[in-house]
Amino acid sequence: SQTIHQWPATLVQPVGSPLSLECTVEGTSNPNLYWYRQAAGRGLQLLFYSVGIGQISSEVPQNLSASRPQDRQFILSSKKLLLSDSGFYLCAWSVSRGSGYTFGSGTRLTVV
Amino acid sequence: GENVEQHPSTLSVQEGDSAVIKCTYSDSASNYFPWYKQELGKGPQLIIDIRSNVGEKKDQRIAVTLNKTAKHFSLHITETQPEDSAVYFCAASRDSSASKIIFGSGTRLSIRP
Repeated sequence: SQTIHQWPATLVQPVGSPLSLECTVEGTSNPNLYWYRQAAGRGLQLLFYSVGIGQISSEVPQNLSASRPQDRQFILSSKKLLLSDSGFYLCAWSVSRGSGYTFGSGTRLTVV
Repeated sequence: GENVEQHPSTLSVQEGDSAVIKCTYSDSASNYFPWYKQELGKGPQLIIDIRSNVGEKKDQRIAVTLNKTAKHFSLHITETQPEDSAVYFCAASRDSSASKIIFGSGTRLSIRP
């Protein structure tokens, strides 16, 4: 069966420090992968999605970047975190771009 | 592009009563409509979905209805229980090679004991 792993679960980072969040999917090949951010009490904002290795689409201009070095690995990064980067970050995958997503358990990032 | 609006943003119902969450969408080509439930501190989980060739779908206490003409769809939860308390998101997408799921803004459902 397919599973999605996302880590760490929580993270507290100082302003200006780098960020690396990792997401991996097991049990499927060539998944579509997504990074979402959810501010406290708010909806889901799509940050990046990827349909294949090295293929990244950015939805909003921001302080973050994404990479897909392997088929089932999706990484969210920042060189210098801002206070506004705080939030709940969710990775998700789907078998096709129009089908239902399976979300990871999320990473709660607090920038201090 | 697609725009999904969801109402209400918060909903409080007595345990045992029914809850209804409504969404509208703008893209008439959308044909897939999933609903997600997000419990506190967790990722959203798919609870039910419906495709445009179906008007209604049920799964135990949960049902979804779709009106393609009016471009709206709804989630119905009957005999609500405390464990139904969560944030619910509707979404819409096309089954095409260039589509993404567009989410509504979410409804925080609270079940009063």
